[in-house]
Amino acid sequence: RKEVEQDPGPFNVPEGATVAFNCTYSNSASQSFFWYRQDCRKEPKLLMSVYSSGNEDGRFTAQLNRASQYISLLIRDSKLSDSATYLCAVDYDRGSTLGRLYFGRGTQLTVWP
Amino acid sequence: GAGVSQSPSNKVTEKGKDVELRCDPISGHTALYWYRQSLGQGLEFLIYFQGNSAPDKSGLPSDRFSAERTGGSVSTLTIQRTQQEDSAVYLCASSLAGRGENTGELFFGEGSRLTVL
Repeated sequence: RKEVEQDPGPFNVPEGATVAFNCTYSNSASQSFFWYRQDCRKEPKLLMSVYSSGNEDGRFTAQLNRASQYISLLIRDSKLSDSATYLCAVDYDRGSTLGRLYFGRGTQLTVWP
Repeated sequence: GAGVSQSPSNKVTEKGKDVELRCDPISGHTALYWYRQSLGQGLEFLIYFQGNSAPDKSGLPSDRFSAERTGGSVSTLTIQRTQQEDSAVYLCASSLAGRGENTGELFFGEGSRLTVL
C-alpha cells in the first residue's frame, strides 16, 4: 500500500467550474499536509498547507479529515491557468525523518474555455 | 539566482556509464532532498540531508546510487553503471526545515532529466 494515494484523473472541466480532488494517506501519525502544483515539465511548487480546521486561499480551499485519513482540495471558478498537476504531500515520521515528505502521483487538471 | 540550481538540465548517457548530478540549494537552507520522477509517476524520495549528514538514505534504490553534501551547501548525486530504468527527472529541493521544524515548503530546482540509452 502506498503512503499517499491520489486519483490521477485527468479531470477536464470548463472555465468557471468547481472541481475537487482527494488524497488519502496511510500513516495516522502524519502531522503535516500540503498541496503542491506542478506545471508541465516544471518543478513542483507549494500551493497551500492544509490545516486541521480547514483553510482557504482565494478560490482554493483545503480540508483535512483525520478520522478518514484524507485531505481535499477544492477549486472554485476554475481558470485556464489552473491547468496543472496537483500533488498532495504528507510528512511521515517527524521523529527520525524530519522534513521528509511523501508525495502522491498527482491529479491532472485541464480547464477548457 | 536565488532559487535551487541543478545541473546538468539534461543528460543523455549510455548504459553502464556513471553520471553525476549537482544541486546548489538556496543559501541558508539546512535541509536538502533528492527525489526522482519518472513519466506519469509521483515523486519518489531518494535521500535527505540535514547539513552534511544524511539521516535518511532509505530511498536510494540500489548501491549504485550515492550522494554527498559538502559545506552544508552543494550536493552531488552519483549513479554508477547506469541502467535504462534509471531514466527519470532527478529533482533536488531545499528547505529551512531543521530539528523540530517542518514548514513543509520545499523549494525545488528545475530538475536534471536523465536518459539512459
